[in-house]
Amino acid sequence: QSVLTQPPSVSAAPGQKVTISCSGSSSDIGNNDVSWYQQFPGTAPKLLIYDNNRRPSGIPDRFSGSKSGTSATLGITGLQTGDEADYYCGTWDTSLSAWVFGGGTMLTVL
Amino acid sequence: EVQLVQSGTDVKTPGATVKISCKVSGYTFTDYSIHWVRRAPGKGLQWLGLIDPEDGETVYLEKFQGRVTITADTSTDTAYLELNSLMSDDTAVYFCATDNNSNYFDHWGQGTLVTVSS
Repeated sequence: QSVLTQPPSVSAAPGQKVTISCSGSSSDIGNNDVSWYQQFPGTAPKLLIYDNNRRPSGIPDRFSGSKSGTSATLGITGLQTGDEADYYCGTWDTSLSAWVFGGGTMLTVL
Repeated sequence: EVQLVQSGTDVKTPGATVKISCKVSGYTFTDYSIHWVRRAPGKGLQWLGLIDPEDGETVYLEKFQGRVTITADTSTDTAYLELNSLMSDDTAVYFCATDNNSNYFDHWGQGTLVTVSS
């Protein structure tokens, strides 16, 4: 069981918007920055969002991140079929002295 | 260009030990920590531990204490993950990643499939 809680799956139609939640506690999200990763089958994860809401170079502004208290959210607008992937949130857990991930959310673009 | 290139697929029997390498290029090896993350079939990402190549300091997930060893060779800019007493549950794709001295993983290796089977 993952320390951070994500919905197992979300779905939406092409062109629509979807949000993926990531719930934690004061020892992880509450006191550390959150990052988000996109992973396609058979490939390495890719950094989508870092420091809660910043996008690396090359990541389109359709992807956004936010954090409030002990929860974080990934938003994706203008959904494309190419966005179908698994999405993970992650951060450092100060109590565990370990990096923790959410269980992952599979996005389906119908 | 930052690159992390991992060793190839490996097949092990239960109880064996696997050692995976991660050779980095495109930045100064001792500048950033190297982390190891795995994804087992049907499961999510799981962090195993990290090493600071500058001083060799390591941090391991408690679950793997005693079973995992992460090392770094500064003469070849290569980090290693060694996992012993392998079980079928250790079957996974293992990834190395850099953390840019921050709280995120900005560059990843291509992954190494380790299959544990009798």
